Amino acid sequence: AQKITQTQPGMFVQEKEAVTLDCTYDTSDQSYGLFWYKQPSSGEMIFLIYQGSYDEQNATEGRYSLNFQKARKSANLVISASQLGDSAMYFCAMREGTGRRALTFGSGTRLQVQP
Amino acid sequence: SQTIHQWPATLVQPVGSPLSLECTVEGTSNPNLYWYRQAAGRGLQLLFYSVGIGQISSEVPQNLSASRPQDRQFILSSKKLLLSDSGFYLCAWSVTEDNEQFFGPGTRLTVL
Repeated sequence: AQKITQTQPGMFVQEKEAVTLDCTYDTSDQSYGLFWYKQPSSGEMIFLIYQGSYDEQNATEGRYSLNFQKARKSANLVISASQLGDSAMYFCAMREGTGRRALTFGSGTRLQVQP
Repeated sequence: SQTIHQWPATLVQPVGSPLSLECTVEGTSNPNLYWYRQAAGRGLQLLFYSVGIGQISSEVPQNLSASRPQDRQFILSSKKLLLSDSGFYLCAWSVTEDNEQFFGPGTRLTVL
């Protein structure tokens, strides 16, 4: 079974609107971390936001927020007030347990912001 | 502030040739270091990680190897490249295993 599932291969959003990128995960660990990264066409992976499994509040970083629903095992990324520069691939990733260094990545969602 | 460098940025190599990709981190000490590979249109796969000089852990069997000769230097190597080694190689660092990982600009490798 896939550890991280991103069901939207591509998304379109109008400039200045909000968009939600879906991510569901699968783990039996009680302690885990969830990450979102942005990969523009240049290829660099840019860290956006982090949510720990024990964090009670949804993480927020500027225009990015993470809608964490633990019971549903979902960690959707919400981008508010989309900008043209937000066009990129977005990857959800998970680190399971403690002492586990690997991040498991989803297949990504390509977001295109239209003017 | 911390920065991470990778070189070369792009590389085209024939099958059977050797490989050496370098990654260096500035502005921090004793980082955790990682090598990932991204196939075209796919997510990232962890290849190696290191928690200190000379300490390398391999995540997947392959014809690649990694070394960490200095605290902030991480090298990915191969003695003989395969066509399947083509991809985008990303180096990353983190303060500890629980922190977010920060990625370098990547090396795009094409094996012909």
